[in-house]
Amino acid sequence: EDQVTQSPEALRLQEGESSSLNCSYTVSGLRGLFWYRQDPGKGPEFLFTLYSAGEEKEKERLKATLTKKESFLHITAPKPEDSATYLCAVTLNYGQNFVFGPGTRLSVLP
Amino acid sequence: KAGVTQTPRYLIKTRGQQVTLSCSPISGHRSVSWYQQTPGQGLQFLFEYFSETQRNKGNFPGRFSGRQFSNSRSEMNVSTLELGDSALYLCASSSDPNEQFFGPGTRLTVL
Repeated sequence: EDQVTQSPEALRLQEGESSSLNCSYTVSGLRGLFWYRQDPGKGPEFLFTLYSAGEEKEKERLKATLTKKESFLHITAPKPEDSATYLCAVTLNYGQNFVFGPGTRLSVLP
Repeated sequence: KAGVTQTPRYLIKTRGQQVTLSCSPISGHRSVSWYQQTPGQGLQFLFEYFSETQRNKGNFPGRFSGRQFSNSRSEMNVSTLELGDSALYLCASSSDPNEQFFGPGTRLTVL
């Protein structure tokens, strides 16, 4: 069964304290891996798409990397406004739907 | 370019009633997908429509249905509401199978 897991479930950081979020996947035929940010009561906001092992993407304080079994979202010197739930999702070589992980709830304290 | 819009934003219904939610995709996007989001189950795929045809379907009971119109706007319907249907229902549109843009969601509460 295609599965996406994320760890940790929740993470509290002090402002400026860098860390990484993990997304592990067990799927047959990965087409793409996506990272989204979701604020409470809002829809997910697209961050990155990664397609092949070794690929990296950066945006401001965020950097996403991909291996054959997992992806990491690195947050460098986070600020309180980075507090959100970060969702990982995969698309597969068959079908058109996205399979989402449960998310990591990030809190950055001032 | 306007984003994905969903109406209504909030709904309160009672058990046994039915509900219809609406989604207007980004202009030019022909694919619309629907998701249910709950604290316990996370984001779960309901179905996807492309050019008025259901292209893919998740593992939800037949009480959940949808349709897409010629202008790509989509509706989803839930009949015989149950307490467990309380959730945030999200719509996402795309022009490329490898990207999706989400709307703000409709918060459905079933009493």
